[in-house]
Amino acid sequence: AQKITQTQPGMFVQEKEAVTLDCTYDTSDPSYGLFWYKQPSSGEMIFLIYQGSYDQQNATEGRYSLNFQKARKSANLVISASQLGDSAMYFCAMREGLNRDDKIIFGKGTRLHILP
Amino acid sequence: GAVVSQHPSRVICKSGTSVKIECRSLDFQATTMFWYRQFPKQSLMLMATSNEGSKATYEQGVEKDKFLINHASLTLSTLTVTSAHPEDSSFYICSAGVGGAANEKLFFGSGTQLSVL
Repeated sequence: AQKITQTQPGMFVQEKEAVTLDCTYDTSDPSYGLFWYKQPSSGEMIFLIYQGSYDQQNATEGRYSLNFQKARKSANLVISASQLGDSAMYFCAMREGLNRDDKIIFGKGTRLHILP
Repeated sequence: GAVVSQHPSRVICKSGTSVKIECRSLDFQATTMFWYRQFPKQSLMLMATSNEGSKATYEQGVEKDKFLINHASLTLSTLTVTSAHPEDSSFYICSAGVGGAANEKLFFGSGTQLSVL
C-alpha cells in the first residue's frame, strides 16, 4: 500500500490564483514528519515546508502553507497568489519517526502548470 | 542555508564501466545521507541510507554490490554504480538532513543524470 498518495497528476491554474495540492498519508507511527518539495525542470529538489505530527498549528512559509488534517491524514499544500515560476513538479513526502536518520518516502508528485 | 553539493551533474559512460557520484555537505556535518533514484516523470525512490563510519542500509530490491555506498567522513558520501548497464540510466540524487527533529529540513544535491550507452 502506498504511504503517500497524491491524486492529482497534473493541475492547471491561472496566475495569481491560489492552488491546493492534495496529499494523504498512511502511517501507524504517532511520530512523523511531512514535507513538501518543489522540483523544477532543472531537477533540483527545493524544500518548501515541513509539518511535524505533534505540531499544533499549520506550518507556513511565505506563500506556502500546509493544511494539516491529522484525523483525515491529509497534508495539503496551499500556494497563495501563484506565480509563473511556481510551475514545477511538487512532491509530498513523509518521514516515519522524527530522527534525522529515519528515511523519507515520496509521493508520485503533482505537476503544476501556472497559466499567464 | 545548508548546501549539499553533488558531482558530477551529468555523466555518459559505456556499458560495463563504473561511475562514482559524490555528495558533499558543504557547511554542516551529515552523519546520515540518503540516495535516491528517479526515472523520468516519476517519483524519487529511496535506494539506501548512507551512515558515516558504518555500512549503508539498502532498500529492498536494491543490489548492494551494484550500488556501492561509502560514507567515509561527516561531509562526504559516494555512490558507485559498478559495471553500469543501460538499465542503470537514471537521475540519481542525494540528500542530507539539517536541524533537530522538531524542524528537520532535508536538503538535496543537484542530482546526477547518468546515461549508460
